[in-house]
Amino acid sequence: AQSVAQPEDQVNVAEGNPLTVKCTYSVSGNPYLFWYVQYPNRGLQFLLKYITGDNLVKGSYGFEAEFNKSQTSFHLKKPSALVSDSALYFCAFGGAQKLVFGQGTRLTINP
Amino acid sequence: GAGVSQSPSNKVTEKGKDVELRCDPISGHTALYWYRQSLGQGLEFLIYFQGNSAPDKSGLPSDRFSAERTGGSVSTLTIQRTQQEDSAVYLCASSYRAASYYNEQFFGPGTRLTVL
Repeated sequence: AQSVAQPEDQVNVAEGNPLTVKCTYSVSGNPYLFWYVQYPNRGLQFLLKYITGDNLVKGSYGFEAEFNKSQTSFHLKKPSALVSDSALYFCAFGGAQKLVFGQGTRLTINP
Repeated sequence: GAGVSQSPSNKVTEKGKDVELRCDPISGHTALYWYRQSLGQGLEFLIYFQGNSAPDKSGLPSDRFSAERTGGSVSTLTIQRTQQEDSAVYLCASSYRAASYYNEQFFGPGTRLTVL
C-alpha cells in the first residue's frame, strides 16, 4: 500500500539551531508530497508541497523541504528554529481525491 | 477572506445519541473533505465531495456515519447511535479546484467530539 512514514514521534531542538523533521514515502509513479503543521487546538495549516521540478521547495514561515528520489525522502528543514515553531508536523501524499498522512512528529523548540 | 469554519467546536454527547457536525468551506471551493483525527489512528480520510456529490465514501468507518453537502457549500457529517470509539477531532477541509493529487487543502479548526 502507498504510504508516507515519519520515523520520529518527537524531535527536540534548541532555539536557533537548524531543525529537520523526517518523512519517507512509498508511492508509485510521481509522488505529490505535502507538509502541514498543526498548532494546539487549531486545524492543519499548509506549509509547502512538491509537485515536480526543483527538488528544494520553499514554504511558509521559513521552512523548506528537499525531495530526494533516490532516498524516497521529503524532509522538512529550517535553518534556525524558533520557539514558536513548536507544533505537530504532518507529512502527506496526494492520493486520489484525498491526502494520506503520516503519523505526525511533535517538534519542540527549547529556549 | 474567511477560512473554513466548523461548528460546534466541542460536542459532548452520550453513547447512543446522534450528532451532527457542520462545515462551511471557503467560498468558491468546489471540493470538500472530512477527516478524523484520533490518538490511536492518526489522521484518517472519511469522505470527499465534489460539488454536491460524494464519489468517494470509502473512508466512512461504518453505516452509522453519513454526510451530505447542499448547494455546493455547507456540509453536514452525521453520526448515528454514537459509540465511545467515535470520540475524536473531526476536521473539514476544502480546495479550490476539482480534487486532484496535488491541490493543497485548507483545513478548519475541527470539532472535538467526546462520547461518554
